[in-house]
Amino acid sequence: AQSVTQPDIHITVSEGASLELRCNYSYGATPYLFWYVQSPGQGLQLLLKYFSGDTLVQGIKGFEAEFKRSQSSFNLRKPSVHWSDAAEYFCAVAYGQNFVFGPGTRLSVLP
Amino acid sequence: GAVVSQHPSRVICKSGTSVKIECRSLDFQATTMFWYRQFPKKSLMLMATSNEGSKATYEQGVEKDKFLINHASLTLSTLTVTSAHPEDSSFYICSARTEGMTSSSYNEQFFGPGTRLTVL
Repeated sequence: AQSVTQPDIHITVSEGASLELRCNYSYGATPYLFWYVQSPGQGLQLLLKYFSGDTLVQGIKGFEAEFKRSQSSFNLRKPSVHWSDAAEYFCAVAYGQNFVFGPGTRLSVLP
Repeated sequence: GAVVSQHPSRVICKSGTSVKIECRSLDFQATTMFWYRQFPKKSLMLMATSNEGSKATYEQGVEKDKFLINHASLTLSTLTVTSAHPEDSSFYICSARTEGMTSSSYNEQFFGPGTRLTVL
């Protein structure tokens, strides 16, 4: 079965530090890839998406993600984290008519 | 563009009552809408897919008589939780998709802000 994994359940970083959130997927072909952020009690906000082309994708709020076909990964990065980035982050994969979310990574930011 | 709204954003009801949640695509026509459920500190789980004018397709394990979905128009889908019980308390999120809305071959889903249901 197709699946999306986010190995880190919870990550804590200091404000100003760099961040990388991992995402791996299991699918035979290249799927469409997304990263969403969810603040407590809120809906989902799309950070960025990859459909094709350049494997380094720029998103909102200073986030970027890199698609690596050989590793079946789509890791999210940010060079300098802000306190307002504390939230839950979901990687998602779309293939055919299906849309699957990863389990999420909770990000905490220390002052 | 591509805005999806949900109403209400938060609802509290007594056990045994029914609750209706609306999902609207505000600036596009949604041929397909999806309903997800999110438990606390968990990911989103797809409950059902609804296409305008036809019956919804439910995921395995989702009770279709419990969670009634109607997609009567291209801009509105409703989820009715019938005879709600405390275990139905959750965050419900809808999304909408349309054919040919983007230049890519995949039609992206646009998510609503969610509805927090609490059953006492």
